[in-house]
Amino acid sequence: EVQLVQSGAEVKKPGESLKISCKGSGYTFKSYWIGWVRQMPGKGLEWMGTIYPGDSDTRYSPSFQGHVTISVDRSINTAFLQWSSLQASDTAIYYCARPRLQELVVGFDIWGPGTPVTVSS
Amino acid sequence: QSALTQPRSVSGSPGQSVTISCTGTSGDVGVYKYVSWYQQHPGKVPKLIIYDVTQRPSGVPDRFSGSKSGNTASLTISGLQPEDEADYYCCSYAGSYSLIFGGGTKLTVL
Repeated sequence: EVQLVQSGAEVKKPGESLKISCKGSGYTFKSYWIGWVRQMPGKGLEWMGTIYPGDSDTRYSPSFQGHVTISVDRSINTAFLQWSSLQASDTAIYYCARPRLQELVVGFDIWGPGTPVTVSS
Repeated sequence: QSALTQPRSVSGSPGQSVTISCTGTSGDVGVYKYVSWYQQHPGKVPKLIIYDVTQRPSGVPDRFSGSKSGNTASLTISGLQPEDEADYYCCSYAGSYSLIFGGGTKLTVL
């Protein structure tokens, strides 16, 4: 079964760092792009960026460039999303998702369950 | 990079049809065939219901259909059913391996 398993909920304070994960299984992990999507409380979906595990080619939305880092560890079939200094406005659910075809970055047919992140003092 | 424009809400009675629009620009919706639509029920993970403007993944009822004209893509749901009540998001490829989502539309089945 093709699936993405994400790390658990996090509660952090402003200024703290955080790294959440997304582990793929049931398919050739290195051959499909992985996207990250943010959903703030009561709000819509926002594309944050995407990474190709095969060569770590990474693209960011201008809205998130410089504020988050997307990375991958091919040896453990896992993609990561990290912050060096969290803000209260980072409170959201973060989804990782995989496109339906290897050569595409769009059309996410596989989604992780989401990682809720709460940032509060 | 602004979000694609969707109506905040639409509604319809069971059995009726509704259409949700998604307006972008000549740099995204207008130029690429890669428009997808997602359905999200409260507290649930988004689900792909349309890809490549008009294509339905296996298992998605044919009541869901997609189209595009110029810079505007549309999702039509015919024969509305109570379980169709959800939030719907469009998403377009915008070049250089970037994507953009719409703001989302809440569908209410009256």
